[in-house]
Amino acid sequence: DAKTTQPPSMDCAEGRAANLPCNHSTISGNEYVYWYRQIHSQGPQYIIHGLKNNETNEMASLIITEDRKSSTLILPHATLRDTAVYYCIVRVPSLLPGANNLFFGTGTRLTVIP
Amino acid sequence: DAGVTQSPTHLIKTRGQHVTLRCSPISGHKSVSWYQQVLGQGPQFIFQYYEKEERGRGNFPDRFSARQFPNYSSELNVNALLLGDSALYLCASSPGTGTYEQYFGPGTRLTVT
Repeated sequence: DAKTTQPPSMDCAEGRAANLPCNHSTISGNEYVYWYRQIHSQGPQYIIHGLKNNETNEMASLIITEDRKSSTLILPHATLRDTAVYYCIVRVPSLLPGANNLFFGTGTRLTVIP
Repeated sequence: DAGVTQSPTHLIKTRGQHVTLRCSPISGHKSVSWYQQVLGQGPQFIFQYYEKEERGRGNFPDRFSARQFPNYSSELNVNALLLGDSALYLCASSPGTGTYEQYFGPGTRLTVT
């Protein structure tokens, strides 16, 4: 699986868009990009995933560059509750049922400032 | 629907003791994974089970073991506890096919003294 690189920390003003970058320059053609976040003292929470097209759901948008070597998670209107550690994970789809474990790095600590 | 539940929430053990942590997955999910999270680090994969069979094992010593029951709940056992085993132990469930979308429980905070 491709290695990911994320900045250790970022700040964002409340109400503004938070743009969290992830570099995955060694990504292969069939690897998906997944984003999770972990709010303090809670378990990680799935946010969104994508292969090569931009994706949007009720939580966030995922923008993947055309060469797929990097991606950006966008929280359109950050709130204080979005303060968390955000993890970018790249994984190849597993052919074996039930073999879908995750490998977390250290992530980006996003602090939303009032 | 209830989310992933874990028990106990917290516990304190002494070095050399044994501990059993329990996890109940979301209804309908057949896969359970266990992760260890040491303070300041991301979660580290320990085990994954699907339909009672082990599907993956992380780089943890043999003191760590797990099993999954017919109702898809799971136990994580750790023998001969060391101070370094102090961590948040997270359980995650998933349908088990295709996606890496997993649903995590609140974790069990283990302190070894």
